[in-house]
Amino acid sequence: QSALTQPASVSGSPGQSITISCTGSSSDVGAYDYVSWYQQHPGRAPKLIIYDVINRPSGVSNRFSGSKSGNTASLTISGLQAEDEADYCCTSYTNNTWVFGGGTKLTVL
Amino acid sequence: QVQLVQSGAEVKKPGASVKVSCKASGFTFTGYYLHWVRQAPGQGLEWMGWINPNSGGTHYGRKFQGWVTMTRDTSISTVYMELNRLRSDDTAVYYCASQYCSGGRCSTWFDPWGQGTLVIVSS
Repeated sequence: QSALTQPASVSGSPGQSITISCTGSSSDVGAYDYVSWYQQHPGRAPKLIIYDVINRPSGVSNRFSGSKSGNTASLTISGLQAEDEADYCCTSYTNNTWVFGGGTKLTVL
Repeated sequence: QVQLVQSGAEVKKPGASVKVSCKASGFTFTGYYLHWVRQAPGQGLEWMGWINPNSGGTHYGRKFQGWVTMTRDTSISTVYMELNRLRSDDTAVYYCASQYCSGGRCSTWFDPWGQGTLVIVSS
């Protein structure tokens, strides 16, 4: 199973919005509404921030939102804050396996 | 408090095996599937497979079939991941992560995760 494609890095200034894309195929992202997103600060374990494309777990800021169109899922972070600087990774369920994206490093300028 | 606590860092020589443990607390161990995911230095996450702690059933990613073994000890709410024939490119942080299952249906996301176990393979 090929990894999902994410941009290596994105950046934005405090208060701005950014979007991170996650491109798969008709076998994974395009086939199921089972994309989740994880935030990972250096040296820490991943933390779930979006599940099933659009849903936020309890306790996650509503500045984080997810969407999907065709074979591409997206994570949008609005009102950027310094604490949002981290790596972000998407994953998609497909045929009882999971495939991850390569991760995107978000820099808050 | 739902928590997964993993064993400590390991240093292994090429060709050796490593066994990493993941102990669950704060939730019904057998109500979840436990997955293993690894992350090589500076790289993205890579899914390895899962174990159903209730039945002991496993499902491994194609890359890891014949190479990884996942087991469990329900008496101590612990799952194990053993990787054989280690190579230098197996150097990575290995995470366990939980997938909630109830009434025959399971979530499709991972939450919570263990803190990670660094495995270094070096001669």
